[in-house]
Amino acid sequence: GQSLEQPSEVTAVEGAIVQINCTYQTSGFYGLSWYQQHDGGAPTFLSYNALDGLEETGRFSSFLSRSDSYGYLLLQELQMKDSASYFCAVTSGSARQLTFGSGTQLTVLP
Amino acid sequence: GAVVSQHPSWVICKSGTSVKIECRSLDFQATTMFWYRQFPKQSLMLMATSNEGSKATYEQGVEKDKFLINHASLTLSTLTVTSAHPEDSSFYICSASATSVGYNEQFFGPGTRLTVL
Repeated sequence: GQSLEQPSEVTAVEGAIVQINCTYQTSGFYGLSWYQQHDGGAPTFLSYNALDGLEETGRFSSFLSRSDSYGYLLLQELQMKDSASYFCAVTSGSARQLTFGSGTQLTVLP
Repeated sequence: GAVVSQHPSWVICKSGTSVKIECRSLDFQATTMFWYRQFPKQSLMLMATSNEGSKATYEQGVEKDKFLINHASLTLSTLTVTSAHPEDSSFYICSASATSVGYNEQFFGPGTRLTVL
């Protein structure tokens, strides 16, 4: 089966940089995704890494090391609206199923 | 593009009744649709995977006779919670994917909050 580990909570101040790590164990790995979810809402897609390296999208960057079964999401210039839960998820299997981590609650303080 | 809708957005029902939730891909044909359940402060748990015109594949521990999934067309999948009980109260979210819009990404609907009294 699949398993993912990520920190349960992270707190940072506005303007800071925060990194959320994710380690995983899976078979049939295709890639690692990151999703943001605000309270009461559906998850929104942030990034997807299939190959090793860093992907940058605006203030958010995501990194993957397949050999280490490890990735991270980097959020820069934090804003209050970034307070949310962040989930890493592995894509695996013939149906490209997503298995989600338990989520990291990010709190951004003024 | 790649918009997924769900209906209803919330529903309250009495114990023992059945509830149907619709998931539609609005601007693309979804090869595969997925149904998730999320309890408060927890992660999304995959319930089942469905492909158009074929039977859904349920995850271990999910009762196929209780959670009926129909994927009759490339733009519509339905989840029916039969004989709902209070423990079925949860946030149900569908997602859709297709090779035409990038096979590696799932597009999520806004979710349906089910409360069973």
